[in-house]
Parts: sequence; C-alpha cells; structure tokens
Amino acid sequence: GAVVSQHPSWVICKSGTSVKIECRSLDFQATTMFWYRQFPKQSLMLMATSNEGSKATYEQGVEKDKFLINHASLTLSTLTVTSAHPEDSSFYICSAIANEQFFGPGTRLTVL
Amino acid sequence: EDQVTQSPEALRLQEGESSSLNCSYTVSGLRGLFWYRQDPGKGPEFLFTLYSAGEEKEKERLKATLTKKESFLHITAPKPEDSATYLCAVPLSSGYNKLIFGAGTRLAVHP
Repeated sequence: GAVVSQHPSWVICKSGTSVKIECRSLDFQATTMFWYRQFPKQSLMLMATSNEGSKATYEQGVEKDKFLINHASLTLSTLTVTSAHPEDSSFYICSAIANEQFFGPGTRLTVL
Repeated sequence: EDQVTQSPEALRLQEGESSSLNCSYTVSGLRGLFWYRQDPGKGPEFLFTLYSAGEEKEKERLKATLTKKESFLHITAPKPEDSATYLCAVPLSSGYNKLIFGAGTRLAVHP
C-alpha cells in the first residue's frame, strides 16, 4: 500500500508555544489530505481537510485559528497547533488517498 | 445523522478460537465501508474496503462481509499477533472521502 509519513513521531512542548507537525505522502501525490485527532481509548475524529493550493476546511467545533493547516505541495501538509494548551495533548494522525485512504503513523503531542 | 457503532468494545480470545466483530452503520447512500487495524501508538493500517451488500473480502485469517446495515470482520483461528484494535469507518454523507469511525473493538488473543 501507499506510504504516509509524519514528523515528529512525538513532541513535548510548554503551554503557550506552537508546534508544527508534518505529513508527507512518500510514493504518491495527494491533492487532499486529512487530519484526525485521537484521545486515549477513543476513536479517530476528523479535524480538517487539507487541500493543495487552497484553504483547508474544518469540521464543526475545530478552531481554524488554533489549528493552522498548510498544504503547500502535492506531497506535504502541515498542521500547526498554535498557543498549545494541555487540553490539546492528543495523538494527531494524517491520511492521504491513493485509491484507498492511508494513514500516517501518528504524532503524540504532550503539552505541559 | 451518520453513525458507526462497533461491538463488542473488547474481546478476549484464546489462540485458535474463531470469532466475529460487528460494525453497524447509519449513513445516507453507503459509498464504501472500510476496515482498519490499529496497533497501540500507531496509525490505522488499511485492511479492506467493501462497497455492496453481499460482498466479501479475505486476507489471511480475516474475512470481511457486508450487509445493508452492518459489516462483520470474521477472525479464523486467530494468533497472538492478531491482537490490535479493529476500526471500521464509512464516508460521511456530506463528503465522499471524509470518514466517520466507530469506537473500535480491542482484540486480545492469548496463547
């Protein structure tokens, strides 16, 4: 299957700082990528759709000014968590479509 | 409202003990049902896509089936390495590629 990577795999930051997470499609081009969030023992919740060359679309209840998404190329989307707070601590997972929807390995964010 | 419900929430099996996981869904105009496997601390790994009632797909010890209201993931003679959380998902009515996931079934297979 297609490969999606994420970087970093885990990050710890202080409250109030911003954190950037990268999502790359390694062996295919993706005009659309998705960002999900997963809290412990819960399922994945779609946060936003990242569109190459245009603005991201956000799901209801997701603050677009807090979770900045940039899809600058056909293989890279970034999610920046701005002014992170402890409640933003979660597992962030991206996905991209190559026939099927393939997921990255996830990024564990811990905000102290 | 689009909804996906999985049962049981957790399942403990002995090695070799076959069983089935259930995924029931409510969505307008099903455009596919997806099964994923997720290991702790990792992203979901694609297993199957089913598109129409009566369709079946197999991969090693796993077989997925689909009806108009639900899907089953049958595990035959499981091994400890099959231990994982199994997730099913369907596309939202509002957008083809946006997926709504069930809560998952945590499977533990003991030797």
